[in-house]
Amino acid sequence: GAGVSQSPSNKVTEKGKDVELRCDPISGHTALYWYRQSLGQGLEFLIYFQGNSAPDKSGLPSDRFSAERTGGSVSTLTIQRTQQEDSAVYLCASSRSGGNQPQHFGDGTRLSIL
Amino acid sequence: QKEVEQNSGPLSVPEGAIASLNCTYSDRGSQSFFWYRQYSGKSPELIMFIYSNGDKEDGRFTAQLNKASQYVSLLIRDSQPSDSATYLCAVHNSGGSNYKLTFGKGTLLTVNP
Repeated sequence: GAGVSQSPSNKVTEKGKDVELRCDPISGHTALYWYRQSLGQGLEFLIYFQGNSAPDKSGLPSDRFSAERTGGSVSTLTIQRTQQEDSAVYLCASSRSGGNQPQHFGDGTRLSIL
Repeated sequence: QKEVEQNSGPLSVPEGAIASLNCTYSDRGSQSFFWYRQYSGKSPELIMFIYSNGDKEDGRFTAQLNKASQYVSLLIRDSQPSDSATYLCAVHNSGGSNYKLTFGKGTLLTVNP
């Protein structure tokens, strides 16, 4: 596609439920990133994919968070047993390759935990 | 802990003026630097990137980099009300995690008509 596509754009769920967020990167981009942006806070790195492998998961806040990428394209970020502190905008970005290539962001998923 | 510092603002300039946004970073080995614009409720949009010391111009935007001083800036000439947004400075880490961007918290720019 022309840009990074994320779905859903908004998600409201009850505490304790699992959620799945999806990211479809720019066609041909091998590197994919997930970030989180909480109200009034900066962007927080979560995880980096190069192809289907995730060499850096260091930013995942807890073991409730997991992510996968299949076919070197679409990625899903899963949050199990959601907590209120998980409420944030989850942003996906992609770049042509890893290293110092510019990253391009999708529109994000606004997650609200009731 | 690698850090990127920006003045949070708000920075208020009149329409037609030059807006100057500044950023300092802690990772001396960083090689690539980015400016993103983020409108309220929207995602960050890449507007400039710079890899070498000096100036890089693109339309009304000029990015300036001084690696010795660990300083990067963004100038917006002929500021327009549509430039009103938060501007995020982002720096690639050096070394083995050079794919990772560290972001500043952003400077809120308001351009007054």
